[in-house]
Amino acid sequence: DVVMTQSPLSLPVTLGQPASISCRSSQSLVYSDGKTYLNWFQQRPGQSPRRLIYMVSNRDSGVPDRFSGSGSGTEFTLKISRVEAEDVGVYYCMQVTHWPRTFGQGTKVEIK
Amino acid sequence: EVQLLESGGGLVQPGGSLRLSCAASGFTFRTSAINWVRQAPGKGLEWVSTINERGDWASYADSVKGRFTVSRDNSKNILFLQMNSLRTVDTALYFCTEHWQVANWGRGTLVTVSS
Repeated sequence: DVVMTQSPLSLPVTLGQPASISCRSSQSLVYSDGKTYLNWFQQRPGQSPRRLIYMVSNRDSGVPDRFSGSGSGTEFTLKISRVEAEDVGVYYCMQVTHWPRTFGQGTKVEIK
Repeated sequence: EVQLLESGGGLVQPGGSLRLSCAASGFTFRTSAINWVRQAPGKGLEWVSTINERGDWASYADSVKGRFTVSRDNSKNILFLQMNSLRTVDTALYFCTEHWQVANWGRGTLVTVSS
């Protein structure tokens, strides 16, 4: 199975400051079609997860442009350019290249 | 608007069975793969199963293989998860999610396995 490793697991941030979450996979996430299937999800307290980013860097509809995804191969990053109060929650990366699908452990973002 | 509504959760004893449902609307159900993802209380997300558009292929996590079966009725836009031989570790909130790339999520249905 592909192991997804996120860091840090806890991320205290100051409002208005940037934040960055790393996600590393134990195998390349490049599929046979040449595309990389790595998603990012946000789970606010008490809510269902919501997809923010798909295929490494594509923002879902309605996702603020302060969220961005980057990376390739086995190393990926989710960045928040300026953290807002509504960004508090747990963020997960997930690979949908290989079976079984696997998630990272989650990174808890909180306001300092 | 895509809507996914899970139901069928509840309290069941270890070794028991439960069938979850996921009613879908707002998209062309018959052309979309559907996934089940679960979340144990206070824990992270765990992929459980995916079924293809036609319902003739499915994949399962090792933790549920041989005990859980996913199926779908494209005429009624509904997905099922039959869960047998339930264990306490299966206690979780079960979400159905749409698309091979896990796009939209329902609110989940809680399954509690306890004696």
